[in-house]
Amino acid sequence: GAGVSQSPSNKVTEKGKDVELRCDPISGHTALYWYRQSLGQGLEFLIYFQGNSAPDKSGLPSDRFSAERTGGSVSTLTIQRTQQEDSAVYLCASSLASGTDTQYFGPGTRLTVL
Amino acid sequence: SQQGEEDPQALSIQEGENATMNCSYKTSINNLQWYRQNSGRGLVHLILIRSNEREKHSGRLRVTLDTSKKSSSLLITASRAADTASYFCATDGSGYALNFGKGTSLLVTP
Repeated sequence: GAGVSQSPSNKVTEKGKDVELRCDPISGHTALYWYRQSLGQGLEFLIYFQGNSAPDKSGLPSDRFSAERTGGSVSTLTIQRTQQEDSAVYLCASSLASGTDTQYFGPGTRLTVL
Repeated sequence: SQQGEEDPQALSIQEGENATMNCSYKTSINNLQWYRQNSGRGLVHLILIRSNEREKHSGRLRVTLDTSKKSSSLLITASRAADTASYFCATDGSGYALNFGKGTSLLVTP
């Protein structure tokens, strides 16, 4: 079956612009996660959605970052007024449920803020 | 916050040799997972080992877990050039979000 997909694969934007990153999780997966990976670093947790519950936003680095998940499926991560330090690869993952389930990752969106 | 820490940071071996990577973590876990990442993009799930397991095999991969030492190892036997990638361990100590280390960069030369 299809894996997690993300779009765009690459995004170059100017400082101060807003960007939207999209994630399509594996069908039937109720849990969805966003992570960020800066150059040469491990992954940093950003936000977590589980079913219809309120998302855990504890990992979002600032109020410029927000995410939503419509209909329990597709998710959009929005970064407002982008800064150069936002440049990173943004990875989305989904799992069948949550907790100890394996997380399956998408190919990521490489964001470059000039 | 990063909990898993991989060691070494970089490893260079020749095809056919075995590659061993280690991971240490700080808090108790339900499970530990190993992932591979090629060219800084999507992560590929390799293996999950639960806290009540000590060893697990998958093809040429062997993972061990020592919860008393809070450490895990990933062994790749008979390595191939295609194994060249970054390898990350990830723990679920604080709940659902995975905590990743900075990874081990493996280079396998022909």
